[in-house]
Amino acid sequence: DIQMTQSPSSLSASVGDRVTITCQASQDISNYLNWYQQKPGKAPKLLIYDASNLETGVPSRFSGSGSGTDFTFTISSLQPEDIATYYCQQYDNLPPLFGGGTKVEIK
Amino acid sequence: EVQLVESGGGLVKPGGSLRLSCAASGFTFSSYSMNWVRQAPGKGLEWVSSISSSSSYIYYADSVKGRFTISRDNAKNSLYLQMNSLRAEDTAVYYCARWADDRPSPFDYWGQGTLVTVSS
Repeated sequence: DIQMTQSPSSLSASVGDRVTITCQASQDISNYLNWYQQKPGKAPKLLIYDASNLETGVPSRFSGSGSGTDFTFTISSLQPEDIATYYCQQYDNLPPLFGGGTKVEIK
Repeated sequence: EVQLVESGGGLVKPGGSLRLSCAASGFTFSSYSMNWVRQAPGKGLEWVSSISSSSSYIYYADSVKGRFTISRDNAKNSLYLQMNSLRAEDTAVYYCARWADDRPSPFDYWGQGTLVTVSS
């Protein structure tokens, strides 16, 4: 199985800050990497697919980059409504494993 | 508007069985692969099972293989998960999720989830 290592597991930042989350795959997954946002008590929501493509309707302050084994998710200017847990997920091979998640809080 | 609505969750004793359902609407259900993804209380996301559009391809996580059975009825726009020999570690919110294509791809739509609690 391809393991996904996501870091940090949690972070605290101020409104307007730039926030960066990283995800590392245990082997080359090309660009088959997605990012999801999950707010408390809600279902996950797809934000970024294929490493860098913004899902329709998702604000442009969210972005993703990377390929191969190393990926980055960025919120350019943190907003109060961005408080959530963010997950990366690979789909190069089955099982389509998720990273452990990053809980983002407001400082 | 794409909608996925899960049902069938509840409290069940260890060793018991439960059948989850997911009613789909707002898209051509028979054209997409579908999945079950679960989340234990306070934990991360765990993929459980996938089924292709025509049920030709079915996959399971090792943790549920031999105990869970995924199926679908395209005429009823419905996805199912039969869960047998349930264990305490199966306690989770179970989400129905669509792949964006009829093959491994992003999970582009999710239901609201149904809670399964396995406890004596």
